[in-house]
Amino acid sequence: GENVEQHPSTLSVQEGDSAVIKCTYSDSASNYFPWYKQELGKRPQLIIDIRSNVGEKKDQRIAVTLNKTAKHFSLHITETQPEDSAVYFCAAGVGADGLTFGKGTHLIIQP
Amino acid sequence: DTAVSQTPKYLVTQMGNDKSIKCEQNLGHDTMYWYKQDSKKFLKIMFSYNNKELIINETVPNRFSPKSPDKAHLNLHINSLELGDSAVYFCASSSGFGIYGYTFGSGTRLTVV
Repeated sequence: GENVEQHPSTLSVQEGDSAVIKCTYSDSASNYFPWYKQELGKRPQLIIDIRSNVGEKKDQRIAVTLNKTAKHFSLHITETQPEDSAVYFCAAGVGADGLTFGKGTHLIIQP
Repeated sequence: DTAVSQTPKYLVTQMGNDKSIKCEQNLGHDTMYWYKQDSKKFLKIMFSYNNKELIINETVPNRFSPKSPDKAHLNLHINSLELGDSAVYFCASSSGFGIYGYTFGSGTRLTVV
């Protein structure tokens, strides 16, 4: 089955700086790589995703890159703001097997 | 008009009891899932159903039994609850016999005392 590793487990950055979270996956069949943001006590919410035929995708301050050869993908958040503080999860999967999630990164934005 | 809804939101019960969590989605999705999120926030898939058929059954004790009466509903019944079952359980759904449009419910916090 799929195995997703996510680093770092905690990331503290100054407000306005950039944050990068990295994930690796094991199953070369995986073709969908979403990122979720989970605020305390709430459900995980999709913030951006990328499919295996695309190398990079950007949505305002958030971008995701995918390297299928190396089996890794990253989340980049620029100009961080206090409301970006949350736990971020990467995931990988294919078909109805469902998504396998990384263990999460607690992002802390320091004022 | 919540897309994926779960009930109840909170569930406190004693060890040994049997309980159910219900999930309904109004997105027209054909695949539904149950995930367990433990105290360390790790999200782990438990079951996957596509058009009422079981697709994935991860290593979950057989005290957990999912039931899908139709493709809009996936319920989770848990027998003989144990302390270690305490967690947040999330239902999710997706479309196209796949994982596109993957949407989570609001979660059910289960506490076994």
